[in-house]
Amino acid sequence: RKEVEQDPGPFNVPEGATVAFNCTYSNSASQSFFWYRQDCRKEPKLLMSVYSSGNEDGRFTAQLNRASQYISLLIRDSKLSDSATYLCVVVHSGTYKYIFGTGTRLKVLA
Amino acid sequence: DADVTQTPRNRITKTGKRIMLECSQTKGHDRMYWYRQDPGLGLRLIYYSFDVKDINKGEISDGYSVSRQAQAKFSLSLESAIPNQTALYFCATSGADSPNYGYTFGSGTRLTVV
Repeated sequence: RKEVEQDPGPFNVPEGATVAFNCTYSNSASQSFFWYRQDCRKEPKLLMSVYSSGNEDGRFTAQLNRASQYISLLIRDSKLSDSATYLCVVVHSGTYKYIFGTGTRLKVLA
Repeated sequence: DADVTQTPRNRITKTGKRIMLECSQTKGHDRMYWYRQDPGLGLRLIYYSFDVKDINKGEISDGYSVSRQAQAKFSLSLESAIPNQTALYFCATSGADSPNYGYTFGSGTRLTVV
């Protein structure tokens, strides 16, 4: 079993739709969590950190559920420009080692 | 100028050749990393360095070596390239507060070994 798992998708959604992705992790000692966005053949870019209390940045909301060991990303009012692969990142406590998920691909359709 | 610069952007090389990928950063970060990305496998850590005198192997270091020439420079070498090293390579940097603030990636080097 992979340490960080994501549904690869693709998630095909119409413009304006709300879409949510989950990412599960197996190491309960994980201390930090992030969502990165990666466009095709480009570098990953930090989208947002994920805090225990949940956090929002415009149309994006991230949640952490420690009990069930997953994080989620909700995108409201999807735009064509949101089409990308979304990578989940989990950081181990102590080692600060980053573990990347393989990504969930989103396609927003006109 | 980009905060993290990788050169070359693209490279095609022959099996058995030695090749070096370079990374430089202007963020003043102590920590630098080399990853490779393959379809379906995600990002895998090759080597990392927490300061100039600190070099550590990642999960897939076989066939690779690194050099941390200065705080701002971290190069990756393939001593004798083989076709299964064809991949997209990323350099990344972070500060000591990386668990809170994440990594910054370079724009990548697309390497093809024929």
